[in-house]
Amino acid sequence: ETGVTQSPTHLIKTRGQQVTLRCSSQSGHNTVSWYQQALGQGPQFIFQYYREEENGRGNFPPRFSGLQFPNYSSELNVNALELDDSALYLCASSPGPNTGELFFGEGSRLTVL
Amino acid sequence: TQLLEQSPQFLSIQEGENLTVYCNSSSVFSSLQWYRQEPGEGPVLLVTVVTGGEVKKLKRLTFQFGDTRKDSSLHITAAQPGDTGLYLCAGGIEAGANNLFFGTGTRLTVIP
Repeated sequence: ETGVTQSPTHLIKTRGQQVTLRCSSQSGHNTVSWYQQALGQGPQFIFQYYREEENGRGNFPPRFSGLQFPNYSSELNVNALELDDSALYLCASSPGPNTGELFFGEGSRLTVL
Repeated sequence: TQLLEQSPQFLSIQEGENLTVYCNSSSVFSSLQWYRQEPGEGPVLLVTVVTGGEVKKLKRLTFQFGDTRKDSSLHITAAQPGDTGLYLCAGGIEAGANNLFFGTGTRLTVIP
């Protein structure tokens, strides 16, 4: 176990709705990254949060946004959900923003109908 | 678009056989990592290689980073059913980067 916890584990939404996913980082880790893993694909980097600010972003539209809190936990928010947003959303905590050390949670599986 | 291509995509072998999984790219990476992911779980880091030509061994698993740092391979000797899972390679363009580019994955099934 990595000590990274995500919630909820599964959820179903309809097109146009909004969703919030949550992640608690491993103790002592101050950096959180979010990845999207579509079915049959490898994870794709969404963004990273460090010191409560976005610190690096992949090729995702602005309707994907996030937050990091003083206790280093994080949220991923997705607005105006589309069918293609259906995926496993993975959170990874790291001891720093440039360590290359990622400890993944078990993910939140989102289904958009 | 995936920067890293893995082959084969699917592999089913008998217990005790050897296998090699390949990870290729046209891009140069500062580091290359291999992960294993089981159903319902997140990827778990197996190894990180950072030097071109580097070889690392983890029990029956041997990892190699290509000389040009554009490719890598994972070799498993005497595969066991417990090796079953999705193997993912992931590269970092910048040294120490947390924004990794993952491969397409190789789903390995080891039949007892």
